Amino acid sequence: DAGVTQSPTHLIKTRGQQVTLRCSPKSGHDTVSWYQQALGQGPQFIFQYYEEEERQRGNFPDRFSGHQFPNYSSELNVNALLLGDSALYLCASTDFPDRAPLHFGNGTRLTVT
Amino acid sequence: GDSVTQMEGPVTLSEEAFLTINCTYTATGYPSLFWYVQYPGEGLQLLLKATKADDKGSNKGFEATYRKETTSFHLEKGSVQVSDSAVYFCALNTGNQFYFGTGTSLTVIP
Repeated sequence: DAGVTQSPTHLIKTRGQQVTLRCSPKSGHDTVSWYQQALGQGPQFIFQYYEEEERQRGNFPDRFSGHQFPNYSSELNVNALLLGDSALYLCASTDFPDRAPLHFGNGTRLTVT
Repeated sequence: GDSVTQMEGPVTLSEEAFLTINCTYTATGYPSLFWYVQYPGEGLQLLLKATKADDKGSNKGFEATYRKETTSFHLEKGSVQVSDSAVYFCALNTGNQFYFGTGTSLTVIP
């Protein structure tokens, strides 16, 4: 039973560029959330997708956008990258949207230079 | 707003020592509470959870009790092992979204 998978594992981008991160949820899960984890900090909620729509959004600018596909996989897009966007980006899935525990992938380490 | 406060680390213990990591929360509703663990280079893994007051979550020798009167969910283990070395995160969910603490790094030395 495959867990949450994310790609790529590492990424290096230059300020101003755009990046797309990908996530496949755990089998049987239909809800995907994205988190940003800065070094030495806890994960910060970016947004959640359910039934291909953004259901919840945290306090992140519009440069952060996402998408969920019919097979429940998801993408996180970040435009006009800033140095401060350097972080570990975690994808998490659940089998229904509310209080079920999150299942996390191993994350994508994004470095912006 | 909803938030979680964890004791700051790092925490260093000898093998077989008793572990306590403090966690308190602020929530407008009736949250579910969680402890997650993160090993180096990996994502977070659910360690245990409690969904209502006085519930005790337990897993792999770790325990935490949901205390509504003190708004706390402290993590405990009676005898830590080297393999418990990791970063531990307390989290809450009121049905809106998950809020995580800043994490507590634990190192267990032989």
